[in-house]
Amino acid sequence: EVQLVQSGAEVKKPGESLKISCKGSGYSFTSYWIGWVRQMPGKGLEWMGIIYPGDSDTRYSPSFQGQVTISADKSISTAYLQWSSLKASDTAMYYCARLGGWLQPFDYWGQGTLVTVSS
Amino acid sequence: DIVMTQTPLSLSVTPGQPASISCKSSQSLLHSDGKTYLYWYLQKPGQSPQLLIYEVSSRFSGVPDRFSGSGSGTDFTLKISRVEAEDVGVYYCMQGIHLLWTFGQGTKVEIK
Repeated sequence: EVQLVQSGAEVKKPGESLKISCKGSGYSFTSYWIGWVRQMPGKGLEWMGIIYPGDSDTRYSPSFQGQVTISADKSISTAYLQWSSLKASDTAMYYCARLGGWLQPFDYWGQGTLVTVSS
Repeated sequence: DIVMTQTPLSLSVTPGQPASISCKSSQSLLHSDGKTYLYWYLQKPGQSPQLLIYEVSSRFSGVPDRFSGSGSGTDFTLKISRVEAEDVGVYYCMQGIHLLWTFGQGTKVEIK
């Protein structure tokens, strides 16, 4: 069974750093892209970026380029999303999702990680 | 970026009645390989999005056959033949042809 399990909710202050994780299981982690999707409170879905754990090839949405860093550790089947300096506007639910193949949909999703940034 | 526009933004449906959601893209989603990369998701309350339909009209594993997708080029439709209580949530279309994946604004479906 394909599963993506994300790290738990975080409460941070503006200016702090953060790294959240997404662990894949039940499939070959290095053979599928993993994407990150933001959902701000009460809002829709926004694609942030994507990584291929096999070789760490990473692509970013222009809206998020330079704002976050996506990485992966294939030895532990885990992808990461990190911020070096959080802002209140980063408060959102963040989902990881597996891309079923190039030009395929995001077919399996993690449960989401809620990030709250507040002074 | 490709802009995805859904209508309506909300829908209230009597159980057992049909429902229809439209999605229009700002550019054609027809790829040179002949496939059209338009997907539909449902986000039930408090849950992660789940894939319903891929490549316009193919149902994902386990999706009931009351869900169907149609369309071509830039105009697409998701239909629910007979809405059930478990179908409530927000429906999103998403394009995958241009590798800056974009979603529609979402259509909230409620039960009357």
